[in-house]
Amino acid sequence: DAGVIQSPRHEVTEMGQEVTLRCKPISGHNSLFWYRQTMMRGLELLIYFNNNVPIDDSGMPEDRFSAKMPNASFSTLKIQPSEPRDSAVYFCASRHRGRRAFFGQGTRLTVV
Amino acid sequence: KQEVTQIPAALSVPEGENLVLNCSFTDSAIYNLQWFRQDPGKGLTSLLLIQSSQREQTSGRLNASLDKSSGRSTLYIAASQPGDSATYLCAVLPPDTGNQFYFGTGTSLTVIP
Repeated sequence: DAGVIQSPRHEVTEMGQEVTLRCKPISGHNSLFWYRQTMMRGLELLIYFNNNVPIDDSGMPEDRFSAKMPNASFSTLKIQPSEPRDSAVYFCASRHRGRRAFFGQGTRLTVV
Repeated sequence: KQEVTQIPAALSVPEGENLVLNCSFTDSAIYNLQWFRQDPGKGLTSLLLIQSSQREQTSGRLNASLDKSSGRSTLYIAASQPGDSATYLCAVLPPDTGNQFYFGTGTSLTVIP
C-alpha cells in the first residue's frame, strides 16, 4: 500500500481564494482524521470520520472550513474564503479501528 | 477530556547516550498508546503502538513502556545516533476504538555527533 496520500504537497494562494486539500486513506481503514499543525499551536484535530460519517467537527475553526468524505477512499478539506491565519501544514491520517494510525506527508498551505 | 503531556519539551544529548522520553496522560482508561516521530518539514511516522493490555513494545533500539495506573508511558532509545534527532510525540486512544486520539505536545530531541 502507498500509505496515506495527500495532495497537493504545497499550496500558495491569495487571501479570499478557495482552497481544497485532498486525502486518500489507506485501503481498508475505517477512520480518517484531518489535523492542522502550526508552531504556535502544535497539532490540532479539525475533524474525523468513521465509516465516511463525520463524528466530531468541533475542531473546525470557523464556518469557512468544511470537510467531506464521499466514499471510503477519498476526503476533502475545503477553506472558503482563505485567510493568512489559515497558513499551516494540514495532515490527513487514517486508521483501522483501534490499530496503528498512519499519517500522510501533509499539505503546506500558505495564504498571502 | 484526556490531556497528554510530554516532558521535557526539548532534549539534547551526545551521540551514544541512552535516553528516555516521557509521556503522561490524565485518564487511565485507554485503548492503546502510540509513539510517533516527526522530522522537520515531514509527516508523522509511527514508531510503536502499545495495547492497554501490554506493558511494553520493542522495535530495534526503541522500547516503549506503558503504566496505565500511573498514567505514564516512556520511550527508551538505546545508543542514540544523530539520525534519531527529531520530534517525538505520543498519542493516546480512548477505550472507544471509534474515537479520536489525543496527542502530547512533543519532545524535540537533538543528538550531537
